[in-house]
Amino acid sequence: EAGVAQSPRYKIIEKRQSVAFWCNPISGHATLYWYQQILGQGPKLLIQFQNNGVVDDSQLPKDRFSAERLKGVDSTLKIQPAKLEDSAVYLCASSLVAGGDNEQFFGPGTRLTVL
Amino acid sequence: GDSVTQMEGPVTLSEEAFLTINCTYTATGYPSLFWYVQYPGEGLQLLLKATKADDKGSNKGFEATYRKETTSFHLEKGSVQVSDSAVYFCALSKDYKLSFGAGTTVTVRA
Repeated sequence: EAGVAQSPRYKIIEKRQSVAFWCNPISGHATLYWYQQILGQGPKLLIQFQNNGVVDDSQLPKDRFSAERLKGVDSTLKIQPAKLEDSAVYLCASSLVAGGDNEQFFGPGTRLTVL
Repeated sequence: GDSVTQMEGPVTLSEEAFLTINCTYTATGYPSLFWYVQYPGEGLQLLLKATKADDKGSNKGFEATYRKETTSFHLEKGSVQVSDSAVYFCALSKDYKLSFGAGTTVTVRA
């Protein structure tokens, strides 16, 4: 079974530029998550989708971050414009159904460096 | 709010040594508790979980017991191997949300 795919794996941009990350969850998984992991910290949930609807985006900085999950499969996370403090690893995860007790399967992440 | 505090690293051990990583949590109600592991170059993966008080989760020789009285979920392994070198994250789940600790880096020397 294929795992969660993410691209690109690495991205370097300058501040005020925009960037987009892509995630393809495990086939059949209805719930998709985006996390931000700053160096030395644990992952922090940015947004959770159930199919193509948003369940929780309370931690998403909506003035610069946006995410969508068209057709309830792939998802993109965008930052525009980027700030230095956005340097982090962005993790995508998926689970069969919603609910934290259900195992989340993580992708390898995209490491973003903002100069 | 709900949070997890875990032992700071890094931790360096010799092969066959005993490993323990402390984890305590703050939450109202009855969260589920997890340990995730991240091997070098790989994504996070679930190591073990416990969903109610006194439950013991176990996998790959690792164990952790959900202790409600001490709000703890310490991870233990009796004899570590070089292949156990990784970053370990304690996490809790409540209200459909997963909250992670900061992670503990473990290095096992041959």
